[in-house]
Amino acid sequence: AQSVTQLDSQVPVFEEAPVELRCNYSSSVSVYLFWYVQYPNQGLQLLLKYLSGSTLVKGINGFEAEFNKSQTSFHLRKPSVHISDTAEYFCAVSFNNAGNMLTFGGGTRLMVKP
Amino acid sequence: ETGVTQSPTHLIKTRGQQVTLRCSSQSGHNTVSWYQQALGQGPQFIFQYYREEENGRGNFPPRFSGLQFPNYSSELNVNALELDDSALYLCASSTGGGAGRETQYFGPGTRLLVL
Repeated sequence: AQSVTQLDSQVPVFEEAPVELRCNYSSSVSVYLFWYVQYPNQGLQLLLKYLSGSTLVKGINGFEAEFNKSQTSFHLRKPSVHISDTAEYFCAVSFNNAGNMLTFGGGTRLMVKP
Repeated sequence: ETGVTQSPTHLIKTRGQQVTLRCSSQSGHNTVSWYQQALGQGPQFIFQYYREEENGRGNFPPRFSGLQFPNYSSELNVNALELDDSALYLCASSTGGGAGRETQYFGPGTRLLVL
């Protein structure tokens, strides 16, 4: 069965510091990978996605992620975070042979401190 | 904002009751998916509708059912509510009939509390 694991439930970081949010998945078929952000009391907003091609993907708000097929990972990074980046971040995968049902990880709460 | 709207924003029901949640998809989108997000967890896929037909279903019992209308808006119905049904229910719309590479655009959700 396919699954997504976000290794850190919470990541505290100081403003202007770099951050990495980790995501690993398990699948025996090709996947598409997504990162979504959820601000308090809101729905999910797409940050970036990997479909094919270059393994380094750039998204909105200065975020980027790197697809590593051998390690089945898709870690999210930002070189310098802001207070406004405080939110819940979800990694998700879909599979070409299963419609676009998204399987989500449990989420990582990014807490940016002044 | 994505253009996906959901109603109502909040809802309180008692155990055993039935509830209907509504979703209007983004203009031009013909596919709607529903997710349940329990507190502190990631969303879980309930089902998907494409051109008024169910196009995939997650591990949810039959008391969770849905509809999609000709204008591609959608409803989620839950019968015989249980306490564990308390969650944020998210609707997402997309194009392409559910192809895995398509981006899903999420609405703000309906928060359901079952007492």
